[in-house]
Amino acid sequence: DGGITQSPKYLFRKEGQNVTLSCEQNLNHDAMYWYRQDPGQGLRLIYYSQIVNDFQKGDIAEGYSVSREKKESFPLTVTSAQKNPTAFYLCASSIMISTDTQYFGPGTRLTVL
Amino acid sequence: GENVEQHPSTLSVQEGDSAVIKCTYSDSASNYFPWYKQELGKRPQLIIDIRSNVGEKKDQRIAVTLNKTAKHFSLHITETQPEDSAVYFCAASTGGANSKLTFGKGITLSVRP
Repeated sequence: DGGITQSPKYLFRKEGQNVTLSCEQNLNHDAMYWYRQDPGQGLRLIYYSQIVNDFQKGDIAEGYSVSREKKESFPLTVTSAQKNPTAFYLCASSIMISTDTQYFGPGTRLTVL
Repeated sequence: GENVEQHPSTLSVQEGDSAVIKCTYSDSASNYFPWYKQELGKRPQLIIDIRSNVGEKKDQRIAVTLNKTAKHFSLHITETQPEDSAVYFCAASTGGANSKLTFGKGITLSVRP
């Protein structure tokens, strides 16, 4: 999982501003995922991508957007439409969508002031 | 969709004792069940997983058992050590195309020295 990086580690933004979280992997994995983690809520899936130029909504996609222009990169934009964006965001990847074993990045803690 | 539940939400054991964490799932088509460990401030890491064609899998002090009839699976940690203190997440997936992992909310394990 050392091949997945997220930046920045901490991010502060004012309410109403869009913000983009970076996720890069050099594991040659086809599938990538974004999760949101809140205390006591476990890991909730925001978006996932099985292959370049393709992505699907997860369980809590409202207020978020993604792109997958390159195999290595899967950035997440938290828009002003997201009502409660303060959370810990985790990116993950797996060889293919069906192999299931996911490897996580170190996470980005977003705080909206 | 799949629903994964973990009980209890917290567990405290004395160092050297065994710990058992149980998860239940709702989708009888699920066939892949991983366990992730997340230490404070760090990324979740896969510690063991099991597929539906086996009933038990062991790796040193850690074992996972699966009961497909009852739709539950359990993580067993023997000879617990303080470094086992963490949040443990179980998950389930059907493993096919477009499959995704559904995580439980996590259990906080504390090992008392």
